[in-house]
Amino acid sequence: ELKVEQNPLFLSMQEGKNYTIYCNYSTTSDRLYWYRQDPGKSLESLFVLLSNGAVKQEGRLMASLDTKARLSTLHITAAVHDLSATYFCAVDMRKAMNYGGSQGNLIFGKGTKLSVKP
Amino acid sequence: GAVVSQHPSRVICKSGTSVKIECRSLDFQATTMFWYRQFPKKSLMLMATSNEGSKATYEQGVEKDKFLINHASLTLSTLTVTSAHPEDSSFYICSARGEKRDRGAGGYTFGSGTRLTVV
Repeated sequence: ELKVEQNPLFLSMQEGKNYTIYCNYSTTSDRLYWYRQDPGKSLESLFVLLSNGAVKQEGRLMASLDTKARLSTLHITAAVHDLSATYFCAVDMRKAMNYGGSQGNLIFGKGTKLSVKP
Repeated sequence: GAVVSQHPSRVICKSGTSVKIECRSLDFQATTMFWYRQFPKKSLMLMATSNEGSKATYEQGVEKDKFLINHASLTLSTLTVTSAHPEDSSFYICSARGEKRDRGAGGYTFGSGTRLTVV
């Protein structure tokens, strides 16, 4: 069974602190996405990681991908309240080996609800 | 960048009626459209995948007669919830994938979502 596991599922942080969200997946794939979702809204794309060792940074967020370990991380540096949201990772099954499922789709993690407090 | 317009954003309907949700790709051709459902505080669950001009492929457990998907053109896909019941209340999101040169975000562009409430 294909699984994408995120942890933690809930994260309460103080402003100015650093933290990392982890995304483990159970099949080989070299394409992974990170999305942000605000309450009642759709998904906002944050990062697309296309290869092993890929690292991307945007503001206080940095994402990395280790395809051998089947692990992606989303690191938050010096958190601010505006970062409060739910963050999802998603594995692109088009790039997964031996996947006989749908015509290429994203398998989402359960999401990490981040709350940054003053 | 690539944009997918989804309408309506919110809809309230009575039990037993049908509701149609539209997703349009505004600046690219969406060869494949994905429809997701999201329950409160939960992740996205893929309902079905459709290619333009073909029948949709439904995920296990999704009733194809209840959730009708039409992808008649490269810029429009619709999801119709037929004979809606309160348990169909949810947040529905479409996602489009087009040609490499057209899309952003590495291949998938999401609509803004539709909040369906069945009373």
